[in-house]
Amino acid sequence: AQSVTQLGSHVSVSEGALVLLRCNYSSSVPPYLFWYVQYPNQGLQLLLKYTTGATLVKGINGFEAEFKKSETSFHLTKPSAHMSDAAEYFCAVSPLRGTYKYIFGTGTRLKVLA
Amino acid sequence: ETGVTQSPTHLIKTRGQQVTLRCSSQSGHNTVSWYQQALGQGPQFIFQYYREEENGRGNFPPRFSGLQFPNYSSELNVNALELDDSALYLCASSPDRADSVYEQYFGPGTRLTVT
Repeated sequence: AQSVTQLGSHVSVSEGALVLLRCNYSSSVPPYLFWYVQYPNQGLQLLLKYTTGATLVKGINGFEAEFKKSETSFHLTKPSAHMSDAAEYFCAVSPLRGTYKYIFGTGTRLKVLA
Repeated sequence: ETGVTQSPTHLIKTRGQQVTLRCSSQSGHNTVSWYQQALGQGPQFIFQYYREEENGRGNFPPRFSGLQFPNYSSELNVNALELDDSALYLCASSPDRADSVYEQYFGPGTRLTVT
C-alpha cells in the first residue's frame, strides 16, 4: 500500500532563507508525486508534479522538487522564502495510472519570519 | 476556465441529520473526486465519479454517497451524521481519466460542523 510521510508538521524560516519541506513515500512502484499548497480558507493549489522523465521538477512561485527513487523522497525546496509563502503544504502520491485517488501526507505548515 | 466551486462554504448540522454538499466542476472535466480533510490532517479520498458512475472509493462507509450530473455538477451526501464527520470537504475535478496523469483542480471546500 502506498503512503506518504511529511517530516515536520511545522517549519519556520526567515524571509530570504532556504525553504526545505520533506516528503517520503512508500510504494511498490514509482508513483506519480505532487506538491500542493493550501492557503487559509482556500482549496489546494498544485505547485508541481513528477510523472516521468527529469527528476528535478520546477513549479510555480519558484518552488522545485527532486524525485530520488533510491531515497523514496520528493522534497520541496525554494532558494529564498517570501512572506507570501506562509501556508500549508501537502505532498501526495497517486497510482501510476489514473484513478486520481491521491494519498496525501499530513501536511507541513510553513511560517516565514520577517 | 471558471474553476471549481463548492457550496455552501460553511454548514452546521446536528448529529443524525443528513447533508448534501455541492460542487461545480470545470467545463470538460469528466472526473470529480471528493476528499475529507479533518482538522490538522491531509485530505482523505472519499470517492470518485467519472461520467456519472462511481469509479473508486476510499475507506468510507456507505452513508457517504455521491452523484455526478451531465452538467459537470456533483453532490456529496452524508446520512446519519456523526461528530467525526466534522471536516472540510473538498471537491476536485480532472479533465480525463485516460492513461495519462492530469492534476486535480480543487475547489475551496465546504466546512461542515456536526454538533
